[in-house]
Amino acid sequence: AQSVAQPEDQVNVAEGNPLTVKCTYSVSGNPYLFWYVQYPNRGLQFLLKYITGDNLVKGSYGFEAEFNKSQTSFHLKKPSALVSDSALYFCASPTSGTYKYIFGTGTRLKVLA
Amino acid sequence: DAGVIQSPRHEVTEMGQEVTLRCKPISGHNSLFWYRQTMMRGLELLIYFNNNVPIDDSGMPEDRFSAKMPNASFSTLKIQPSEPRDSAVYFCASSYRRELNTEAFFGQGTRLTVV
Repeated sequence: AQSVAQPEDQVNVAEGNPLTVKCTYSVSGNPYLFWYVQYPNRGLQFLLKYITGDNLVKGSYGFEAEFNKSQTSFHLKKPSALVSDSALYFCASPTSGTYKYIFGTGTRLKVLA
Repeated sequence: DAGVIQSPRHEVTEMGQEVTLRCKPISGHNSLFWYRQTMMRGLELLIYFNNNVPIDDSGMPEDRFSAKMPNASFSTLKIQPSEPRDSAVYFCASSYRRELNTEAFFGQGTRLTVV
């Protein structure tokens, strides 16, 4: 069965430090992978996606993600965290041949001042 | 564009009452999704429309739930009768689907509380 996993429920990082939010996937064929962010009382906002090509994908708000086929991972990264980055982050992928997204369980990022 | 618009933002209702949630997708988008978010189950896809036609409703929990999309600019999710376990945040999302790699745009959600 296809799946997307976020192994950490919460990540704490000090402001100014680099951050990583982890995602691993198990999908058949070429994976399409997405990151979304959810701020309190808001809907999900698209951050970035991997389709094909360059393994390092750049997205909104200074975020980037690295696709690693051998490790089946798509970790979200940012060189210098901001307090305003504190939110819930979701990794997602469409199930093979459909438009039905599989979402990870979400990782709560807390950036401490 | 104002984005995906959902109404109401908050709904509190008594068990047994009918609840209708509304969604206006982004103009020009041809796909619409209804999701439910709870702490226990995370994000669940309830139903997916493409060109106003329901394509996949396998996530609709039971017959008490129904969804319609009478035109490209409006969709409803109805729960009748509502139960306390339906309490959740319901999101509507839309996208312009040509390929599987197209991202979706989410509304701000409706927080439903059934007492």
